[in-house]
Amino acid sequence: KQEVTQIPAALSVPEGENLVLNCSFTDSAIYNLQWFRQDPGKGLTSLLLIQSSQREQTSGRLNASLDKSSGRSTLYIAASQPGDSATYLCAGVSSGSARQLTFGSGTQLTVLP
Amino acid sequence: SQTIHQWPATLVQPVGSPLSLECTVEGTSNPNLYWYRQAAGRGLQLLFYSVGIGQISSEVPQNLSASRPQDRQFILSSKKLLLSDSGFYLCAWSVPRARGSYEQYFGPGTRLTVT
Repeated sequence: KQEVTQIPAALSVPEGENLVLNCSFTDSAIYNLQWFRQDPGKGLTSLLLIQSSQREQTSGRLNASLDKSSGRSTLYIAASQPGDSATYLCAGVSSGSARQLTFGSGTQLTVLP
Repeated sequence: SQTIHQWPATLVQPVGSPLSLECTVEGTSNPNLYWYRQAAGRGLQLLFYSVGIGQISSEVPQNLSASRPQDRQFILSSKKLLLSDSGFYLCAWSVPRARGSYEQYFGPGTRLTVT
């Protein structure tokens, strides 16, 4: 059964700093890996999806990488801003027909002005 | 464009009362549909998923049930709520896209408090 772990659980950085969030998974047979953002009391916003055949995806200041052999993914945020403050969740997509997600517990990011 | 709706946004119910949460998706057809729960201090847990009308799979044994009466409608129900059913309930959908990717999109959620 897939297990997903995220470290650190919380991170506080000054504005403008580049940062990396880590995600590890136990089953290298994942289909995709998806990164989400969740603001307090809100639903999840999809940030990036990396397919198993890809090594990275980029969107604006965000870059996500995937290394299936080591069971790791990272989310890199460049030039962080206070508006980036949120909880970031990674999720492994199963290879089953329904493509279920298994979530990590998240990293709560605070960017200080 | 596709949109996903959930209602109600907030719900406070007494223990032992019934529950019905509704999720609808617009702008797509034959989506996979999912119900997740996020309990306080805990991660997101998949409760049910559906790959078609009337097809429901449960991930964990619980006090809840799900139904899919129409292609883009997913309902989460309970006959008698327990205190442990409190949480943030999220509905999501996905469809196959280019090169077989299945990106999931989430609704705004329903905050359920059982008193």
